[in-house]
Amino acid sequence: KNQVEQSPQSLIILEGKNCTLQCNYTVSPFSNLRWYKQDTGRGPVSLTIMTFSENTKSNGRYTATLDADTKQSSLHITASQLSDSASYICVVSESGATNKLIFGTGTLLAVQP
Amino acid sequence: GAGVSQSPSNKVTEKGKDVELRCDPISGHTALYWYRQSLGQGLEFLIYFQGNSAPDKSGLPSDRFSAERTGGSVSTLTIQRTQQEDSAVYLCASRQQGTDTQYFGPGTRLTVL
Repeated sequence: KNQVEQSPQSLIILEGKNCTLQCNYTVSPFSNLRWYKQDTGRGPVSLTIMTFSENTKSNGRYTATLDADTKQSSLHITASQLSDSASYICVVSESGATNKLIFGTGTLLAVQP
Repeated sequence: GAGVSQSPSNKVTEKGKDVELRCDPISGHTALYWYRQSLGQGLEFLIYFQGNSAPDKSGLPSDRFSAERTGGSVSTLTIQRTQQEDSAVYLCASRQQGTDTQYFGPGTRLTVL
């Protein structure tokens, strides 16, 4: 069964600190992997997208890595800000015309002053 | 420009009633998706529309769920004879043909009493 698992479930860090979120997946055939940020009460917003051949992708203070061999990805947030408080969702796309996405349950990040 | 919009933002209904949820995708986006996000769960794919092709209904949990997309634009998700387990946030996303990124609406929070 295609699955996406994320860890930790929740995380509290102090403003200005760095953190790393983990994602493991078993989706096959694999098309791409995305990280989304979902603020409370809002829809998810895409942060990064990586295909099979890409190892890393950055978007400002967000850097995602992908190891397609071990089927693992990480999202590193540098110099966290209060506005980074949100749920971060790892999403893996199956190959195929539907572009069907399989979502992890997310990591809830709280950045405290 | 305008993003994906959904209405209503919140809906409270009694068990057994029918509900209709609306999604207005980004203008020009040919692909439209419905997802369900239950408390503590990852997003669950429900249904996918692509242009004039037959929709992919493989994610609909029961025959009480149906969706239409009229004129290739607005979509309505209908849940008949609602049950308490239908309580969730229902998210709509649209995607431009030839691209990978899905843009999400803010969701409709459905509560079935």
